[in-house]
Amino acid sequence: AQSVTQLGSHVSVSEGALVLLRCNYSSSVPPYLFWYVQYPNQGLQLLLKYTSAATLVKGINDFEAEFKKSETSFHLTKPSAHMSDAAEYFCAVRDQAGTALIFGKGTTLSVSS
Amino acid sequence: DVKVTQSSRYLVKRTGEKVFLECVQDMDHENMFWYRQDPGLGLRLIYFSYDVKMKEKGDIPEGYSVSREKKERFSLILESASTNQTSMYLCASSPRDGTNTEAFFGQGTRLTVV
Repeated sequence: AQSVTQLGSHVSVSEGALVLLRCNYSSSVPPYLFWYVQYPNQGLQLLLKYTSAATLVKGINDFEAEFKKSETSFHLTKPSAHMSDAAEYFCAVRDQAGTALIFGKGTTLSVSS
Repeated sequence: DVKVTQSSRYLVKRTGEKVFLECVQDMDHENMFWYRQDPGLGLRLIYFSYDVKMKEKGDIPEGYSVSREKKERFSLILESASTNQTSMYLCASSPRDGTNTEAFFGQGTRLTVV
């Protein structure tokens, strides 16, 4: 069965520092992977998705993620954190039936000045 | 601009009440979903529907039911609300052939059962 594990429920960085949010997946079929962001009291917004076209995926707001099959990972990075990046981030994998998304438990990103 | 709209942002209900959460999408998507979000647990799938009048149980269907009478509308029903159903509820939709397409989410309904 498909699943995702997000390492670290809370990550704190300084403004301008590198952001690294970790996601490992388990999948019995080639995975379709997604990163979403949730700002306080809002729904989820798509940051980027992996659909097998390229292993390095670029998303909105300078976020990117690299698919590494050998490590079963899809970590999210951003070169320079901004205060507005403070939010909760979710990694997700498409289920085996190709219908629903299965989510990790989320990582809260804090950015300090 | 694509949209998934949930009828209420905040709801307060009493224990034992029957509660309806409504969701409407304007993208002509076949698939619609209800998730529950709790701190430290992420999003968990309650029910989904892949067509009108069709539904499938997700991971935590107990205490909930759903209704999909029209393609654009998907309702979540709490038959007899309990305090452990206090949570954030998120509706989402996606197209049928959606393996490489994302799900689109509504703003969420924060339900408090007292």
